[in-house]
Amino acid sequence: QKEVEQDPGPLSVPEGAIVSLNCTYSNSAFQYFMWYRQYSRKGPELLMYTYSSGNKEDGRFTAQVDKSSKYISLFIRDSQPSDSATYLCAIFTSGSRLTFGEGTQLTVNP
Amino acid sequence: DSGVTQTPKHLITATGQRVTLRCSPRSGDLSVYWYQQSLDQGLQFLIQYYNGEERAKGNILERFSAQQFPDLHSELNLSSLELGDSALYFCASSPSGTPKSSGNTIYFGEGSWLTVV
Repeated sequence: QKEVEQDPGPLSVPEGAIVSLNCTYSNSAFQYFMWYRQYSRKGPELLMYTYSSGNKEDGRFTAQVDKSSKYISLFIRDSQPSDSATYLCAIFTSGSRLTFGEGTQLTVNP
Repeated sequence: DSGVTQTPKHLITATGQRVTLRCSPRSGDLSVYWYQQSLDQGLQFLIQYYNGEERAKGNILERFSAQQFPDLHSELNLSSLELGDSALYFCASSPSGTPKSSGNTIYFGEGSWLTVV
């Protein structure tokens, strides 16, 4: 079983839609969760960071951690064409080792 | 601009050759990470250094090696190159070597495109 799993999509939504991106992880001891956005093979850009459980909001983005289900989510409200990118979840799985999901390719259509 | 600088941006080389990729971390960051991203794979963790010392090791091939210098820049050396080594190689940096509940600011450079022909 992979430590971090993410549906690669692709996911296509109309402009203005609420987007839900998800990852599952294998070990309930993991505590540090991050979301990155990557535009066409550019450097990943840090979007959100969450420690332990709960929600964190930043503008149109909300990160959610459900430790009981070992499930993390990123919600994008009022999605825009400029949000079209690959979204990667990342978790510190062992000490300082940051493990990434496969990434979900999102397209927001005008 | 993340503040992490990687050179070269693009590199084409032949099988069997050796290349060196260079990374300058953000000002004040002590930790450097190296990742490989191939077309058919996600971001694969290679190795991490903190203040000159190796901190964590991933699935880094024996043909690959890295080091972090006293000025904190890092180099990733790839030798006996094979076609399958063609990938984007990313460097990332952070202030500390371990995650913190107060937040982790791990920022990536724009990557070095390596093509092995």
